[in-house]
Amino acid sequence: EAEVAQSPRYKITEKSQAVAFWCDPISGHATLYWYRQILGQGPELLVQFQDESVVDDSQLPKDRFSAERLKGVDSTLKIQPAELGDSAMYLCASSSTRQLTYEQYFGPGTRLTVT
Amino acid sequence: GDSVTQMEGPVTLSEEAFLTINCTYTATGYPSLFWYVQYPGEGLQLLLKATKADDKGSNKGFEATYRKETTSFHLEKGSVQVSDSAVYFCALSGPGANSKLTFGKGITLSVRP
Repeated sequence: EAEVAQSPRYKITEKSQAVAFWCDPISGHATLYWYRQILGQGPELLVQFQDESVVDDSQLPKDRFSAERLKGVDSTLKIQPAELGDSAMYLCASSSTRQLTYEQYFGPGTRLTVT
Repeated sequence: GDSVTQMEGPVTLSEEAFLTINCTYTATGYPSLFWYVQYPGEGLQLLLKATKADDKGSNKGFEATYRKETTSFHLEKGSVQVSDSAVYFCALSGPGANSKLTFGKGITLSVRP
């Protein structure tokens, strides 16, 4: 069964350092989402891509966060510089524009700890 | 904007007990509604969904009915198992495929033998 891949699974970094997360969606899925899940809360959308284009980045803190999906396949989310409040689970999800079920498929996530 | 409200947790039940987890929503238009489950150490998995009013989603013994008149999507299971212990999230998405998900805070369910 196809899955969304994410790496690394865990990342510990010091405040003010740069950190990057990678996501490989299910093959053929044109829509890719990055969500942030703070401990004890539900996930919140950071950025949504349709192919290589950003559809929604209204909740992305653009002064320190950036996201790209250059070839419309895999994606990278970067934080520079990291702050203590960025400690969270970063989830990637993908969906197909051909589906009728509106289902998003989630990867295992990257747990970030900023010290 | 859109929002989802879940009952406060955590919830602890004995095996074979009846489960209800309340979820209400606020949204413009006609959203699709979902329940996602997160088992320890794993990512989110879709448990069930409903895309229009009065639809009932069901999976693995869990059920939820899309009630537009009460803006609710409560999750129920007649007899829980220890293996159902997880975090449960109610979510909605806007009309149309590939809309973002708006999640509730989630509730932790623990089922004891």
